[in-house]
Amino acid sequence: GQSLEQPSEVTAVEGAIVQINCTYQTSGFYGLSWYQQHDGGAPTFLSYNALDGLEETGRFSSFLSRSDSYGYLLLQELQMKDSASYFCAVKTGGFKTIFGAGTRLFVKA
Amino acid sequence: ETGVTQSPTHLIKTRGQQVTLRCSSQSGHNTVSWYQQALGQGPQFIFQYYREEENGRGNFPPRFSGLQFPNYSSELNVNALELDDSALYLCASSLGEGDYEQYFGPGTRLTVT
Repeated sequence: GQSLEQPSEVTAVEGAIVQINCTYQTSGFYGLSWYQQHDGGAPTFLSYNALDGLEETGRFSSFLSRSDSYGYLLLQELQMKDSASYFCAVKTGGFKTIFGAGTRLFVKA
Repeated sequence: ETGVTQSPTHLIKTRGQQVTLRCSSQSGHNTVSWYQQALGQGPQFIFQYYREEENGRGNFPPRFSGLQFPNYSSELNVNALELDDSALYLCASSLGEGDYEQYFGPGTRLTVT
C-alpha cells in the first residue's frame, strides 16, 4: 500500500524552531510537497522537493532524502499565526497525489 | 486573477441521493484534482482531470465521477450517497498535469443523513 507517516501533534513556543517529519512509502515518487491548512480554511502550498537537499523559502525550509524516503518541514521564528495543520504530500505515478494525515502545530506564547 | 472557487459551501443530502459539486479553477490552469477530506484527516485523492480527460484516479468507486469543461470549470458527481461520504470536498487546480503546486478552493462541506 501507499502511506505517509507524520506526527499527529507538535507543540512549540513563539520564536522557536520546529521540525515536522514525514516518511513515505509509495509506488512511484516524483516529489514531496508541504501544505498548511488553518481550521476552516483551504490547504495552501508551502514548498516542494523533487531532489535531495534543502529548499528554503523565508521562514520555512523543506528537506528531502530520497534514499531514506524521508523529508521534513522546518519552521523558524515561530509566530502564533503558524498554528495550523501541516500536510506532507507525495506526487506518485499516474498523476496521483497522496497526502499524509497531517500534523497539528500548536504555537504557545 | 481570481482564485479557485467552489459551490455550494454547504450541502445536506439524504442517503441514496445524488449530488453535484462545482469548482472554478484559476484561469489558465488546465488541471483540476478533487479530494475528500474527513474531519481531522488529510485530503484523499479522488481523481485528476487534464484538458477534460481523467488521467489519474484514487481508490474511490465508480459512483464518484467528474467532468471538466473548457472554461476552467469542473464538477464532481457522487451517486447513491452513503453516510461515509460526509466530508469536506476540495478541488485544486494547477497549470499542468504533472505540476506539484496546487491551488485549493475553500471546499464544499457535504453532510449525508
